[in-house]
Amino acid sequence: DIVMTQTPISSPVTPGQPASISCRSSESLVHSDGNTYLSWLQQRPGQPPRLLIYKTSKRFSGVPDRFSGSGVGTDFTLEISRVEAEDVGVYYCMQATQFPWTFGQGTKVEI
Amino acid sequence: EVQVVESGGNLVQPGESLRLSCVASGFIFSDYNMHWVRQAPGKGLEWVSHLNGGSNDIQYAGSVAGRFTISRDNAKNSLYLHMTSLRVEDTAVYFCARDLRDNYSIDHWGQGTLVTVSS
Repeated sequence: DIVMTQTPISSPVTPGQPASISCRSSESLVHSDGNTYLSWLQQRPGQPPRLLIYKTSKRFSGVPDRFSGSGVGTDFTLEISRVEAEDVGVYYCMQATQFPWTFGQGTKVEI
Repeated sequence: EVQVVESGGNLVQPGESLRLSCVASGFIFSDYNMHWVRQAPGKGLEWVSHLNGGSNDIQYAGSVAGRFTISRDNAKNSLYLHMTSLRVEDTAVYFCARDLRDNYSIDHWGQGTLVTVSS
């Protein structure tokens, strides 16, 4: 199975300031079709997860443009350009290049 | 509006069985692959199983393979997870989730149903 490792585990942030979360996979996430199936999800307290980014850098419908994803191969990053209070929660990276799909352990973003 | 609603969670003893259900609405259910994902109390997310629209591509996490069975009834817009030989470590909120078509991700999640395995 592909192991996903996120850093940091916890990230205190200041509203209006940028934030960044890293995700590393134990093997390349480049699929045989040439795409890289790395997603980022946000889980607010008491809520189900919500898709933010898919295929490394594509923002899902309705997601604010302050969220962006980047990366290649085994190293990926989620960036929040200017953190807002509503961004508090746990963020997960997820690989879907290979079954079983696997998640990072989560990064808690708190103000 | 896309919705998926899970049901069937309960308190059961180790070794017992349970069937979870998920009813979908707001989209053509048969056109979408579906997933079950679980989250143990206070823990992270764990992908459990995948089933494509035609029910001929089934995948399981190693931790549940041989014990859990995913199925669907497209006529009823429903997804199921039949869980047998339940263990304490299967205790979790189980989410039904819709696949992001052609993009290998998950775009809609239910609120989840709690399964507690305890003696």
